[in-house]
Amino acid sequence: GAGVSQTPSNKVTEKGKYVELRCDPISGHTALYWYRQSLGQGPEFLIYFQGTGAADDSGLPNDRFFAVRPEGSVSTLKIQRTERGDSAVYLCASSSGTGFYGELFFGEGSRLTVL
Amino acid sequence: AQSVTQLGSHVSVSEGALVLLRCNYSSSVPPYLFWYVQYPNQGLQLLLKYTTGATLVKGINGFEAEFKKSETSFHLTKPSAHMSDAAEYFCAVIPSRSQGNLIFGKGTKLSVKP
Repeated sequence: GAGVSQTPSNKVTEKGKYVELRCDPISGHTALYWYRQSLGQGPEFLIYFQGTGAADDSGLPNDRFFAVRPEGSVSTLKIQRTERGDSAVYLCASSSGTGFYGELFFGEGSRLTVL
Repeated sequence: AQSVTQLGSHVSVSEGALVLLRCNYSSSVPPYLFWYVQYPNQGLQLLLKYTTGATLVKGINGFEAEFKKSETSFHLTKPSAHMSDAAEYFCAVIPSRSQGNLIFGKGTKLSVKP
């Protein structure tokens, strides 16, 4: 596709449920990033992939959060046993460069609401 | 810890007036600095960036920013605001050359009055 695509755009779930958020990056982009944006805050880094491997997962808040990118393209962010505090917009971005010196292209985000 | 501070969560200007959005950073080494813009119902997009070289950088839509090391600032300006500039603006920093994650400020929402 022309840009970074994220699905679903909106997800409402109940506390304790499992959630998957998908990111389809720009074709050919080797780097992929996940950020979380809570109301009134700037995006907060979660994890960064270079190819299939997680180059930096230091932003994942706890072991309920996990992300994969098995073929070096599409990535899935997985959240187990969701809590109300997980409610936020989850942003995905991709880049053609290594590291962060290249331009990041962001998707429109997946809004997660945990009731 | 590295951080970014954006002064003013909401700035309102009249159409044609100067736009000034403030950003200060803390970093123990020369940083890479960025401004991103988020229009309503759209993803974040890069406005401009400073990595090395000229401290005055020009971006899209007539915006520019100047890296001032002595003031640890990277303020965003535009001489004449357009209605289409209404959006949320985020300053971001890569704190060190060995650490890749972008650290964002909390954002400044710009409103433009006719």
